Amino acid sequence: DAGITQSPRHKVTETGTPVTLRCHQTENHRYMYWYRQDPGHGLRLIHYSYGVKDTDKGEVSDGYSVSRSKTEDFLLTLESATSSQTSVYFCAISEPLTRGGETQYFGPGTRLLVL
Amino acid sequence: EDQVTQSPEALRLQEGESSSLNCSYTVSGLRGLFWYRQDPGKGPEFLFTLYSAGEEKEKERLKATLTKKESFLHITAPKPEDSATYLCAVTFNAGNMLTFGGGTRLMVKP
Repeated sequence: DAGITQSPRHKVTETGTPVTLRCHQTENHRYMYWYRQDPGHGLRLIHYSYGVKDTDKGEVSDGYSVSRSKTEDFLLTLESATSSQTSVYFCAISEPLTRGGETQYFGPGTRLLVL
Repeated sequence: EDQVTQSPEALRLQEGESSSLNCSYTVSGLRGLFWYRQDPGKGPEFLFTLYSAGEEKEKERLKATLTKKESFLHITAPKPEDSATYLCAVTFNAGNMLTFGGGTRLMVKP
């Protein structure tokens, strides 16, 4: 399962409050990703990281920030949560394939409800 | 604009009734096409990667194929446990970023 855990697994919060989601990996992968999954939109990339303190924006980064102060942890922060950020959030890592190239493996997800 | 489109959105099959799911893409510089399976309440589970037209991969009752414009996921004699959402994604040019299609929800009835 690529050693990925996400916390919390479920969260209910109110509009305007800050929220931080954590992704933890145990296998020293360099690349880590945050996605959100919504009905009708599929999986969309929010931010990604290619090393400690190295991050970049994805397709839907507005309203989100990330931090990676150590290899194993990638944090996603909603500075002021809005109802449009109600979603399921997935963390992923890249892992090389035996025959070349890489693929991404996903964590179990965090279900976030913003009231 | 780079796009990945999956069809059908939903597919109901009887157990043993073989069929195919389609993933069409309009990207320049395709590096890889990926198939995932996702069960309700869980993260996507990696199935296959395909890199070049003509390539095929198999796993149990699943077989993925790739052409220059699309990929098919063939399901042979499906069982109820094959029921899930199947996601297709691509990477293109120099990046590792995955662009996903909307998925096909497969339901196999006994």
